[in-house]
Order: sequence, then structure tokens, then C-alpha cells
Amino acid sequence: DAGITQSPRHKVTETGTPVTLRCHQTENHRYMYWYRQDPGHGLRLIHYSYGVKDTDKGEVSDGYSVSRSKTEDFLLTLESATSSQTSVYFCAISESVIQETQYFGPGTRLLVL
Amino acid sequence: DQQVKQNSPSLSVQEGRISILNCDYTNSMFDYFLWYKKYPAEGPTFLISISSIKDKNEDGRFTVFLNKSAKHLSLHIVPSQPGDSAVYFCAATMKDNDMRFGAGTRLTVKP
Repeated sequence: DAGITQSPRHKVTETGTPVTLRCHQTENHRYMYWYRQDPGHGLRLIHYSYGVKDTDKGEVSDGYSVSRSKTEDFLLTLESATSSQTSVYFCAISESVIQETQYFGPGTRLLVL
Repeated sequence: DQQVKQNSPSLSVQEGRISILNCDYTNSMFDYFLWYKKYPAEGPTFLISISSIKDKNEDGRFTVFLNKSAKHLSLHIVPSQPGDSAVYFCAATMKDNDMRFGAGTRLTVKP
């Protein structure tokens, strides 16, 4: 299994509060991704990174920001959480190009009340 | 717009029989396709992939078929086992573009 961890694994927060989710990899892969999984939608890309300090938006980026200051860490921030951001969040990595097979972390279940 | 569609939310098969999971896509530029399997409370795991230059790829009990003219791919599992019970996601991508996923199909294999 690819070495990917996510923290926290579960979080309950209130509307309007900031939330940061962390993804950590030990594979030294160049690309890192944040997805959200919702019923009826599958996995949708929020943001991705193609190197340290290099990030780009995905399909559903509104309300989210990311940062990557080290190869191994990719942070997802909800500046002011809303109930619509209640979801399961997955981090993924791929070795070199965006088209490659991606390997996923265990997920973070976020509930915004 | 959902460019990758899995129209069957669920599928139930008997152990030992064939499971066929289907996926349709709308963007003819997609040239690499993948299947992921997901168990509850875990992340998706890569199962099998196929490039658009092929029409079939096999890995043990799993075979993926690609019909480019119909923009359709399918995953065959033979024989199906109870441990195959999971949600299966189809995904598609093209050069320099992010991966698009279907909504998933929940497979239940009954003993």
C-alpha cells in the first residue's frame, strides 16, 4: 500500500469555523490531490498540486484552499465551513504526471453542523 | 456535467457467477480508463486500467473491456467472490487533465 495518511480521520465542526485537513505521504510522489466523495457524485477533484508551492484548481474548488510547503504534506483548508461541505475527503497521490494511476489515503469524514 | 456515468447504483450476483459492471463516458478525448474498488471506511484502491489503444486488459479474475465507438467500458469479475463486495468506481482521464470519476456501483456477492 502507498504510504498515505490523513488527519484527522473524523471531525465535527460548526458552520463558519475554519477547518484544515492534512495529507502526508512517504512515497516522494510529485502529484497530490484532494477529492470529496458524496452520494450520487462519486469522487470530485477539489485541488491538486504538481510540486512544492505549485497548485491548481479542480472541478469543485470554491470554498477551499490548499497549500504544499513540503513534498510530503498537502493541506486542505475550509476557510469558513458550510453544511454543504459535509463530506468524506480523500487525498491521493501519483508519481509523475496527472494522468497516472492515483493512490488514495483512508479518508477524512467531516460533518459541518 | 458528469462526463463519466455509472448508471447502475447497485448490482447483486451469486458467488461463483460473473459480475459485469458498466461505465459510459461522453468525452471522446479520454484515453486512459481505470477501475477502483472501495470498501467502507477505506480509501479507493486501484484495481485495473486500460489505455485507449487497447480493447481488453486482463488481470486474474478481473477483465476490463473498452468499446471506444460506443464510449463504453465494462469490468468483468469471474468468478465473483464474497470479498469482491464493495463499491466500484470507473474513472477516465486524458493527457494533462484531471481524472473524472463515475458515481460508483455497489456490488454485493452473495454466498
